[in-house]
Amino acid sequence: DIQMTQAPSSLSASVGDRVTLTCRASQGIRDSLAWYQKKTGTAPKLVVYAASRLESGVPSRFSGSGYGTNFTLIINSLQPEDFATYYCHHYYSTPYTFGQGTKVEMK
Amino acid sequence: EVQLVQSGPEVKKPGESLRISCQGSEYSFTNYWIRWVRQMPGKGLEWLGDIDPSDSYTSYSPSFQGHVTMSADKSITTTYLRWSALKASDTAMYYCSRVNYYGNSGYSDSWGQGTQVTVTS
Repeated sequence: DIQMTQAPSSLSASVGDRVTLTCRASQGIRDSLAWYQKKTGTAPKLVVYAASRLESGVPSRFSGSGYGTNFTLIINSLQPEDFATYYCHHYYSTPYTFGQGTKVEMK
Repeated sequence: EVQLVQSGPEVKKPGESLRISCQGSEYSFTNYWIRWVRQMPGKGLEWLGDIDPSDSYTSYSPSFQGHVTMSADKSITTTYLRWSALKASDTAMYYCSRVNYYGNSGYSDSWGQGTQVTVTS
C-alpha cells in the first residue's frame, strides 16, 4: 500500500498568515493527489485535485503543487473559515489512502 | 448542483445487519462511480471501496473486503453499503462521494452529508 504522510500534524496560525502543508507519498503517484478540507460535523470538501488544480468555487488563496512523492498545499492570507483539518488523498492505485491530516488551529 | 443524500443515523447491536444508502441527483448517475469513505471517532479518513452504478462493478479496500458489501440500484439512483454482522469497531461516520476523473484517475468531488453508524450492546 502507498502510505501518505502529512506534516505537520497540527499548526497554530493567525488570520492573514501564509500556511504551508506538506504531504509525502511512500512511492510515486504522479499527480493523482487531492486535498480535502474537513470541519467537525461536516463532510469533506474538495480543495485541490490532480495535485495543483483548484476545485471550482475554492478561493484563489489556496494553491497546490507537487508531483511524484512530494506535495504542498499553501493557503495565502488565512481566513477565519479556513481553520479546519486538511487531508491529502492519493487515488493513483488501489488501495487508495489518506494522510493522517493536518489540523490548522487559531493561534 | 450535484446532490448526494445519505440515509439517517443508525444504532445497532453487535452481530446485527445494516444497510445504509446514498442517493444521487442532479447529474447522470450511471456516468460516475461512487466512493465510500469511513471516519472513526477522532480518527482520519479511510477508503472502503468504489462502485460503478452502471453495472455494479466493485473495487474494495483489502481492509474491508468481505466485511462490507456495496451495491447499486440505478433505477432509483441509489447506492448502498451493507454489513451482515456488525462489530463495535464499525462505529463511525460513513460518507459516500461521487468520483470524477482527470486523466485516468478518479477523485471525490461531491460528498454526501454522512451517515453515523453506532454499534453498541
